[in-house]
Amino acid sequence: DAGVIQSPRHEVTEMGQEVTLRCKPISGHNSLFWYRQTMMRGLELLIYFNNNVPIDDSGMPEDRFSAKMPNASFSTLKIQPSEPRDSAVYFCASSSTVNNEQFFGPGTRLTVL
Amino acid sequence: AQSVAQPEDQVNVAEGNPLTVKCTYSVSGNPYLFWYVQYPNRGLQFLLKYITGDNLVKGSYGFEAEFNKSQTSFHLKKPSALVSDSALYFCAVRGSKNAGNNRKLIWGLGTSLAVNP
Repeated sequence: DAGVIQSPRHEVTEMGQEVTLRCKPISGHNSLFWYRQTMMRGLELLIYFNNNVPIDDSGMPEDRFSAKMPNASFSTLKIQPSEPRDSAVYFCASSSTVNNEQFFGPGTRLTVL
Repeated sequence: AQSVAQPEDQVNVAEGNPLTVKCTYSVSGNPYLFWYVQYPNRGLQFLLKYITGDNLVKGSYGFEAEFNKSQTSFHLKKPSALVSDSALYFCAVRGSKNAGNNRKLIWGLGTSLAVNP
């Protein structure tokens, strides 16, 4: 099993640019989670999907952030426009109804200059 | 309100000594409890979980955790620490009475474990 796949692994962009992060969950998993991790705020849940439907987006910081899951094998997290305070490591995780634990991807390290 | 507390920001132990990383929780209904480990510049890795059954749960890399309902705790333990165990450890929980289909986990802030040679 390839595990959760995220791309890109690193992204450096300038303030105001659009950023798109991508995630492929583990095959057969029906829940997908987007997290953000920083030194100051720790690990924060941004949004999660169940069967491709957003269930809880209360962690999305503001309207500049949006997430989609068009099918069971792909999700995107978009930031438009990006700001320096968005710099963080963004993790995607997936889980199934059989096993409750979440499996994390390697993360995308985003730097907004 | 549901919550998780990891009271220690950092734990230091000598190699070969037993280690404990503490976690307490508050949830609605029965708890589903998890421990994860994060090595530098890596994603979080699942270590072990408690859903039901035996209060002592064994996981990866020789770690174990004990569910204590009366103390609402789920402390992570290892009998003999290795230098390679040095990492950031996260406790997480969700309640069995989460509304609807909510599979959201509540996460602790993490405990940095340093094992000294």
